[in-house]
Amino acid sequence: RKEVEQDPGPFNVPEGATVAFNCTYSNSASQSFFWYRQDCRKEPKLLMSVYSSGNEDGRFTAQLNRASQYISLLIRDSKLSDSATYLCVVNTGGFKTIFGAGTRLFVKA
Amino acid sequence: ETGVTQSPTHLIKTRGQQVTLRCSSQSGHNTVSWYQQALGQGPQFIFQYYREEENGRGNFPPRFSGLQFPNYSSELNVNALELDDSALYLCASSGGLDTNIQYFGAGTRLSVL
Repeated sequence: RKEVEQDPGPFNVPEGATVAFNCTYSNSASQSFFWYRQDCRKEPKLLMSVYSSGNEDGRFTAQLNRASQYISLLIRDSKLSDSATYLCVVNTGGFKTIFGAGTRLFVKA
Repeated sequence: ETGVTQSPTHLIKTRGQQVTLRCSSQSGHNTVSWYQQALGQGPQFIFQYYREEENGRGNFPPRFSGLQFPNYSSELNVNALELDDSALYLCASSGGLDTNIQYFGAGTRLSVL
């Protein structure tokens, strides 16, 4: 079993749609959680940190369920510019940061 | 822009050769991590340097080695290149207010023929 698993996608959605990505992690001692966005052939960029209480940044909402070892990202009112790969990232303490394989999103007009 | 710079941007080598990749960390960051990203995969952790010492290592063979310098810039060296080493190599720096947040450079795309 992979340490961090994501929906493989791709997700193809129309502009304005709401889309949700899920991610599970295997190490119950994991401490920090993030979503990164990666555009084609570019570097990953931090989208948002994920907190136990859930957090929102504009059209993006991230949630963490420690009991189920599950992280989610919700994107509302999708834009063409949201097309990218979304990487779920888990830090288990210290140096160990694990990236999921990513979920590809295509938003079409 | 993250302030993390990597060089070169692209590199072509042949099997058996050696390569050195370079990374300048963001100002104020004392930690550099290196990742390998194969096509269609997420980044895989190679190792991390903190204040010039290796701080942790992923599941990569010893022919992957590194250095960190007093100014916190870093090098990744790969010896005896194999075809499977073809990938995007990413450097990330951290160490600001939130030490867990990593900021990535644009990467070096290595092709091994």
